[in-house]
Amino acid sequence: GNSVTQMEGPVTLSEEAFLTINCTYTATGYPSLFWYVQYPGEGLQLLLKATKADDKGSNKGFEATYRKETTSFHLEKGSVQVSDSAVYFCALSDTGNQFYFGTGTSLTVIP
Amino acid sequence: NAGVTQTPKFQVLKTGQSMTLQCAQDMNHEYMSWYRQDPGMGLRLIHYSVGAGITDQGEVPNGYNVSRSTTEDFPLRLLSAAPSQTSVYFCASRQTSKNIQYFGAGTRLSVL
Repeated sequence: GNSVTQMEGPVTLSEEAFLTINCTYTATGYPSLFWYVQYPGEGLQLLLKATKADDKGSNKGFEATYRKETTSFHLEKGSVQVSDSAVYFCALSDTGNQFYFGTGTSLTVIP
Repeated sequence: NAGVTQTPKFQVLKTGQSMTLQCAQDMNHEYMSWYRQDPGMGLRLIHYSVGAGITDQGEVPNGYNVSRSTTEDFPLRLLSAAPSQTSVYFCASRQTSKNIQYFGAGTRLSVL
């Protein structure tokens, strides 16, 4: 079946540090991959997406590359800010557009 | 730009009480869904609907009912609340042909 596994948190970084949150997936066919972000007290918002192998999604300084050979979609940012503190969810949608979410990774950025 | 609106934001129930979580969207999306979010378990799909008059079960449907009488509204009913239903509930919507979901701000439910 389809599933998403992402690194457990919480993650605490100093401002301007480099961020990586690992995400791997299991899926049949050719899924689309997503990163959603949840700020405190809010719902999930789409951060970036990639729809096919080798695509790179990017937004607000965050990037993730769809790696079919390693079934991965790791989230990266070169220099995090306090305002990036949130919970990050990796997700996939299958060919039937059903969604599968990872467990979420909490990020706290300290000044 | 209202998007997806959920009410209430917070609710405390006693075991055995019933309530309805409201969800409305103004984007004319055919597909709507309910998730629950629990620590260490991410989001799990409760029920979904592909259009007015059509609903189906997700991964964790037990203890919940839904209906879809209009495109805009998709309420979630708890007929007899249990402590295991303490969670944060999110409603989401999207166009059926597109795979970008839009989420409401959530309802935090505690069952004592």
